[in-house]
Amino acid sequence: DGGITQSPKYLFRKEGQNVTLSCEQNLNHDAMYWYRQDPGQGLRLIYYSQIVNDFQKGDIAEGYSVSREKKESFPLTVTSAQKNPTAFYLCASSVQRAAYEQYFGPGTRLTVT
Amino acid sequence: GENVEQHPSTLSVQEGDSAVIKCTYSDSASNYFPWYKQELGKRPQLIIDIRSNVGEKKDQRIAVTLNKTAKHFSLHITETQPEDSAVYFCAASTGGTASKLTFGTGTRLQVTL
Repeated sequence: DGGITQSPKYLFRKEGQNVTLSCEQNLNHDAMYWYRQDPGQGLRLIYYSQIVNDFQKGDIAEGYSVSREKKESFPLTVTSAQKNPTAFYLCASSVQRAAYEQYFGPGTRLTVT
Repeated sequence: GENVEQHPSTLSVQEGDSAVIKCTYSDSASNYFPWYKQELGKRPQLIIDIRSNVGEKKDQRIAVTLNKTAKHFSLHITETQPEDSAVYFCAASTGGTASKLTFGTGTRLQVTL
């Protein structure tokens, strides 16, 4: 464990509020990723970033935003435009600017009511 | 884009038996195939991976085989133990800069005594 941290572990928000999930890594990895996990649906890619100040949309980017101002940090904002935000959110990183050997953080479980 | 299908969705085996999980992928350019194990409420952990220049890879009781012609790959667990009980995910990637992983929907493995 260690190397990739996500906070908080559990997060509760009211509908209509934006919320930002934290992801930090001290592995000196270039690439970072955000996934959403719902029961029975596996992991779906939200956004990813290979280098600082650059990121790409994944398969389900609508209603989410990210920034990559520092190599170590890749925060995810879940906006009020996201229709079904309640989910388990996982951050990952990989040493190369390619999708090899991704290592995951412990996740944040977001509940929106 | 890439599509990864995984079967079965649930698998129950007796302790000591073997377990096999199969995945197919659609993009013939994919060249990296990792497998992740996720215990309940925990982060996915990379357990083994294979690249397309290799047909089989083993690590103790775990092995992965790849058939590029048929575009499928499999995870084999021998001498299963109760601690092998978890959800297993396969994934595929084309590799290279700005590549991403596409995950299967997962297999819940239950090892019974």
